[in-house]
Amino acid sequence: DAKTTQPTSMDCAEGRAANLPCNHSTISGNEYVYWYRQIHSQGPQYIIHGLKNNETNEMASLIITEDRKSSTLILPHATLRDTAVYYCIVPRAGNNRKLIWGLGTSLAVNP
Amino acid sequence: GAGVSQSPSNKVTEKGKDVELRCDPISGHTALYWYRQSLGQGLEFLIYFQGNSAPDKSGLPSDRFSAERTGGSVSTLTIQRTQQEDSAVYLCASSLAVSAEAFFGQGTRLTVV
Repeated sequence: DAKTTQPTSMDCAEGRAANLPCNHSTISGNEYVYWYRQIHSQGPQYIIHGLKNNETNEMASLIITEDRKSSTLILPHATLRDTAVYYCIVPRAGNNRKLIWGLGTSLAVNP
Repeated sequence: GAGVSQSPSNKVTEKGKDVELRCDPISGHTALYWYRQSLGQGLEFLIYFQGNSAPDKSGLPSDRFSAERTGGSVSTLTIQRTQQEDSAVYLCASSLAVSAEAFFGQGTRLTVV
């Protein structure tokens, strides 16, 4: 799997946008970028994934740079319930099943 | 059910005992995964089932760990002769074969005393 680098922790004010960066400089052309989050004492939750184009769903937006070496997950209006550990994962092409998880970014949304 | 179901939610066992952890995946999901997560750590892959193919067991830490999936649905993870280092949250996930979007259960918290 392409190695990903994320900040250990971040803070965000409630109601503001949370922008979580991820570096994946060794990504290959056909590898997707996936984001999951894990709220305390719960199982991980899928958020979004993308290949080249920016993606948006009801939870978040994913911005991938043109060279695909980094991406940013955007939570447009963070709430207290968005406090969680956010994982950026780039599975090896053809081996999407065995996701390799790092330590992620611990996001604290503050009132 | 609507989501991935795991049982039990908590399990305390004595060192040396065997334990069985159960996972009911989302109906229709052909892929099923087991991970474990030690306190303060990321997820560690254990094993992956896909349809009728041979499972990918490359993440199992020792021969005390085994898993099976009967009828392409329910899966059981068995840990024999448990050790204290086996204490962790064991997470099960399932997905459709064509997507890596995985849906996770709430996990089983295993404590070996």
